[in-house]
Amino acid sequence: GNSVTQMEGPVTLSEEAFLTINCTYTATGYPSLFWYVQYPGEGLQLLLKATKADDKGSNKGFEATYRKETTSFHLEKGSVQVSDSAVYFCALLNNFNKFYFGSGTKLNVKP
Amino acid sequence: GAVVSQHPSWVICKSGTSVKIECRSLDFQATTMFWYRQFPKQSLMLMATSNEGSKATYEQGVEKDKFLINHASLTLSTLTVTSAHPEDSSFYICSARGGPSSYNEQFFGPGTRLTVL
Repeated sequence: GNSVTQMEGPVTLSEEAFLTINCTYTATGYPSLFWYVQYPGEGLQLLLKATKADDKGSNKGFEATYRKETTSFHLEKGSVQVSDSAVYFCALLNNFNKFYFGSGTKLNVKP
Repeated sequence: GAVVSQHPSWVICKSGTSVKIECRSLDFQATTMFWYRQFPKQSLMLMATSNEGSKATYEQGVEKDKFLINHASLTLSTLTVTSAHPEDSSFYICSARGGPSSYNEQFFGPGTRLTVL
């Protein structure tokens, strides 16, 4: 089946610290992988995506590489800001255009 | 970019009443719309998929008669929670597929928070 597992939060970091949020997946076929961000009281916003193995998605300083050999899509950012505080969801889109989301990881960045 | 709106953004209703939530694609035609439910501190769970002009496809465990979905046009889908009960209180998010991207990307609405008293 299809599923996404991401690290539990909350993750609390100081401003300018390095961020890693782990995400692993199980899937049949060849899924696309996504990271979405949700700010308080808002819907999901696409942060980045990768459609095939070894692709790297990047946006706003965040990046993630589609690793088929380890079935992972870890999110990283070299220097976080207070404004990055939000909940981050890893997701896969299977060959039937159906999304499967991880449980979300809350990030708190302190000044 | 592609924008999806939801109305209302929050609603409080009494137990036993029905509530309608609208999902609109503002600047593109959405061939398919999706409805998700999000419980506090949990992930999104797909409830149903709707294609314009046809009946919605519900995920296993979702009551069709309780969560009525209508996708009457390429820019509007509605979710009606019938005879709402406190356990229906949740954050409901829609997404729409279509738009300028050739990748069939889904664009998410801002969500509707339903509280049933």
